[in-house]
Amino acid sequence: DAGVTQSPTHLIKTRGQQVTLRCSPKSGHDTVSWYQQALGQGPQFIFQYYEEEERQRGNFPDRFSGHQFPNYSSELNVNALLLGDSALYLCASSLDRDRGRGYTFGSGTRLTVV
Amino acid sequence: EDQVTQSPEALRLQEGESSSLNCSYTVSGLRGLFWYRQDPGKGPEFLFTLYSAGEEKEKERLKATLTKKESFLHITAPKPEDSATYLCAAKKPGNQFYFGTGTSLTVIP
Repeated sequence: DAGVTQSPTHLIKTRGQQVTLRCSPKSGHDTVSWYQQALGQGPQFIFQYYEEEERQRGNFPDRFSGHQFPNYSSELNVNALLLGDSALYLCASSLDRDRGRGYTFGSGTRLTVV
Repeated sequence: EDQVTQSPEALRLQEGESSSLNCSYTVSGLRGLFWYRQDPGKGPEFLFTLYSAGEEKEKERLKATLTKKESFLHITAPKPEDSATYLCAAKKPGNQFYFGTGTSLTVIP
């Protein structure tokens, strides 16, 4: 049973560019959350998607946007990249009706902005 | 302000030397305290959920406990394969986890 799959695994972008990260949730899961993890820090909540809509958003600027597709997969888009956007971006999936189980995280996409 | 603080930041143990990791939280309307394990270059792996003060959960050499202000992750007779970063996260009503910065555990053979 495949877990959460994220692509690409690593990415280098130039300041000012735009980037799209992709996530396929664990089979049977319908909810996708995105987190940003800076080096040595805990993950910070970006937003969550359910039923193809953004359900909740953390304290991140509008440069961060996302999408969820009918097959529950999701994309995270970041525009006008800043050096401070360099981080590990984690996708986590869950089943909406079973929130107590905790999320299943992917291995992340390591984004480096130069 | 909602906050989750973990201590110590780093912990080195000899194999077999038991210890505890601390997670202090000030989160209004707590809907669960979660523990995750994170290996280098990987995403967090779910370990436990605790909901109410006095609750305990166990898995192999790990035991998690919860009070009204803190949670502890007790590690009994650790092995080198227990080396990882342990994250705690508090969940409020809604869908957001508030993570601490983690405790990096190294178990020396």
